[in-house]
Amino acid sequence: QSALTQPASVSGSPGQSITISCIGTSSDVGYYNYVSWYQQHPGKAPKLMIYEVTLRPSGVSNRFSGSKSGNTASLTISGLQAEDESNYYCSSYTSRNTSHYVFGSGTKVTVL
Amino acid sequence: EVQLVESGGDLVQPGGSLRLSCAASRFSFNNYYMSWVRQAPGKGLEWVANINPDGSETYYVESVRGRFTISRDNAQNSLFLQMNSLRDEDTAVYYCVREEWLVLALDYWGQGTLVTVSS
Repeated sequence: QSALTQPASVSGSPGQSITISCIGTSSDVGYYNYVSWYQQHPGKAPKLMIYEVTLRPSGVSNRFSGSKSGNTASLTISGLQAEDESNYYCSSYTSRNTSHYVFGSGTKVTVL
Repeated sequence: EVQLVESGGDLVQPGGSLRLSCAASRFSFNNYYMSWVRQAPGKGLEWVANINPDGSETYYVESVRGRFTISRDNAQNSLFLQMNSLRDEDTAVYYCVREEWLVLALDYWGQGTLVTVSS
């Protein structure tokens, strides 16, 4: 069972905006501003899309944005494109047990 | 660009051992924390362990503590994961991952190596 809760799937039409939620606790998402988001195409390695809640690594489209409120983080994809169809995972630094990072259960984004 | 290449994945029986390796290049390996992250078939990501730049500090997820050992050889730009007492539930693709410790994010990932634990 994943430590962070994400919806199993989200879909949208090209050009639309979608938002993926990531629900944690006061030991991870709610306490630390170290939430990251990863994109993973089938059979490929994950790719960092967002770090420190809102920041984008160089080369990541500005159509991807992140936010956080309380124990819930969110990833928004604006102007949805076919190439955005993928699996997305949130992650947070955590003070739980001996782990350093916890991941979400993953969300499959489908472009209709 | 940063390159991380894992090797060592194989089919192993329950209770067996395996050692994974990761060859790092195109960055200053001895300046970075490094992690192993795994993904069971059809499942999500799970952080497994990490190690600080000089190898003096290591951390593990509870489910592998006491069975897995992470280590590094900075002279050879290599990261390792020694896995003992393997269980069926350890079956996964294991990724070698660079950590950007200042922002606590996993910024570069290798392509992964498959470990299958089965009799």
